[in-house]
Amino acid sequence: EAQVTQNPRYLITVTGKKLTVTCSQNMNHEYMSWYRQDPGLGLRQIYYSMNVEVTDKGDVPEGYKVSRKEKRNFPLILESPSPNQTSLYFCASSFKGRTNEKLFFGSGTQLSVL
Amino acid sequence: AQSVAQPEDQVNVAEGNPLTVKCTYSVSGNPYLFWYVQYPNRGLQFLLKYITGDNLVKGSYGFEAEFNKSQTSFHLKKPSALVSDSALYFCAVREKAGYSTLTFGKGTMLLVSP
Repeated sequence: EAQVTQNPRYLITVTGKKLTVTCSQNMNHEYMSWYRQDPGLGLRQIYYSMNVEVTDKGDVPEGYKVSRKEKRNFPLILESPSPNQTSLYFCASSFKGRTNEKLFFGSGTQLSVL
Repeated sequence: AQSVAQPEDQVNVAEGNPLTVKCTYSVSGNPYLFWYVQYPNRGLQFLLKYITGDNLVKGSYGFEAEFNKSQTSFHLKKPSALVSDSALYFCAVREKAGYSTLTFGKGTMLLVSP
């Protein structure tokens, strides 16, 4: 089954403790992206990747890191989480060939930073 | 910069009645436009997209959207609402030229009452 898999589904952590949220897709998509969803703000893009070893900042990249060493994986890293990073996070992927391609989303990761 | 506005935080409609969820956009060139739906505790799912051609686009689950270039709008519609249509709906835009990222609106909660 074609899917985008995120782990963990829920995560509670404390300020300053490094964490990684994993994202993997099995559709051979070139493009992958991370979003955060906050009430009243909708989805805001954190980082995206056009292909392996190619990443770029989205609208709200501060406090986050990403890497794209393999085509299928795009982990989101919070080196020193803070309470304002409490949010619902989504990973998404698509083919890159045409800009009208639809995005496939993971089920989300609910992160709470205490 | 591209942007999307969804002027209604919530739309209430009775089952069997027609529904409209509004979206207006701003891009410097020609747009690609998308609608996504998010059911509770799920990731976003693609509903439909406008690329070019007919201004009325048909999508999944009986939804359609009307592209109006002069009003820069892309309203989502359905002739007869179902209770199961209750969800959070997001409009998104991407400029055709080059490769810009997808910008989402803040979302509109649709509540269909029995």
